[in-house]
Amino acid sequence: NAGVTQTPKFQVLKTGQSMTLQCAQDMNHNSMYWYRQDPGMGLRLIYYSASEGTTDKGEVPNGYNVSRLNKREFSLRLESAAPSQTSVYFCASSRLAGAVTGELFFGEGSRLTVL
Amino acid sequence: TQLLEQSPQFLSIQEGENLTVYCNSSSVFSSLQWYRQEPGEGPVLLVTVVTGGEVKKLKRLTFQFGDARKDSSLHITAAQPGDTGLYLCVTSGTYKYIFGTGTRLKVLA
Repeated sequence: NAGVTQTPKFQVLKTGQSMTLQCAQDMNHNSMYWYRQDPGMGLRLIYYSASEGTTDKGEVPNGYNVSRLNKREFSLRLESAAPSQTSVYFCASSRLAGAVTGELFFGEGSRLTVL
Repeated sequence: TQLLEQSPQFLSIQEGENLTVYCNSSSVFSSLQWYRQEPGEGPVLLVTVVTGGEVKKLKRLTFQFGDARKDSSLHITAAQPGDTGLYLCVTSGTYKYIFGTGTRLKVLA
């Protein structure tokens, strides 16, 4: 039972470098999300994909891009990393976007440090 | 954007004590979920409440949804070290889930 799988789990970048965080879910969920978690800030939504073929901005999209490659995979790209993007990134999925009782399933997180 | 305020922000208690954490909003919740996040892991759903005044119990955890659906509480009876973690309240809007800032609980043996 893999659930939601994120890679890599840890990454250190220099300012200006680019990288892609990968996420895959095996639960046949329609909706996928990328969050960042910073101390004292809870989880903030970066981008989401309500269904395959659609993506939309969340609360903090600046400096990020996403691709919903297929129903299973949703990647997050940092084109030019900045120290302010140092954070723990979580991918999540749900069966139906925004459903009143829908459960979010999370990956284990990717800890990114930008020097 | 609906804001969720959680209190207290931090809580450190001894094993066996009782505690309550709160989640409040200025807007009405369509529904409310509580998640627990352990160190190095993603959050995991504990409960979903939908109806104003609803009370749900999960072993030693009791969840209440306010009558006006603008607040919720989580009460833990006889806390154990395994209850240590970050407790997050979450509400859902159109295609989005909105998280509170969390209550970080540490239960000392």
